[in-house]
Amino acid sequence: GAGVSQSPSNKVTEKGKDVELRCDPISGHTALYWYRQSLGQGLEFLIYFQGNSAPDKSGLPSDRFSAERTGGSVSTLTIQRTQQEDSAVYLCASSTGGAGVRDTQYFGPGTRLTVL
Amino acid sequence: EDQVTQSPEALRLQEGESSSLNCSYTVSGLRGLFWYRQDPGKGPEFLFTLYSAGEEKEKERLKATLTKKESFLHITAPKPEDSATYLCAVQVDTGRRALTFGSGTRLQVQP
Repeated sequence: GAGVSQSPSNKVTEKGKDVELRCDPISGHTALYWYRQSLGQGLEFLIYFQGNSAPDKSGLPSDRFSAERTGGSVSTLTIQRTQQEDSAVYLCASSTGGAGVRDTQYFGPGTRLTVL
Repeated sequence: EDQVTQSPEALRLQEGESSSLNCSYTVSGLRGLFWYRQDPGKGPEFLFTLYSAGEEKEKERLKATLTKKESFLHITAPKPEDSATYLCAVQVDTGRRALTFGSGTRLQVQP
């Protein structure tokens, strides 16, 4: 079946502009995650959605970052007033989710964001 | 604080030369340890999940093992197509589902 998809694949923006990144999870997956991969650094967790529960926002680096998930499916990560240090690859993952479930996170191809 | 350390940072092998990648971890309680492969410009591709010490899993030329402190990814008779960055990640047993990743091992297999 179809995997996790993300759009756009590449985004170049100017410092101070807002950007929106989109993630379509695997059909039927109730859990959705956003991670960031910066040059020379490992993947770092940003935010996690599980069904209708309140999201785990503990990884968001500042209040310029926000995310929403509509209808339990598609998610949008928004970065306001972008800074050069926001340049990175933003990765989305999804899993079957559910309490007590041993589930695996499957990743999308990522969106490469460049802030000039 | 949960920590994951991978070694070596980079590894160059000749085709057919077997070796192992290491992932050591310090966590409050391990729910699962994950291995992913990442090719340049692509997202991580899932390889294995290990849940308890002593567990082993195999896939083609790859074998993953787990102890209470570390995991090894053994590569037997590698081929050039095995060249990639291999990522290790842990999920802790606190209800927090986020993965904590190591910095990865860049593997290059020369023909």
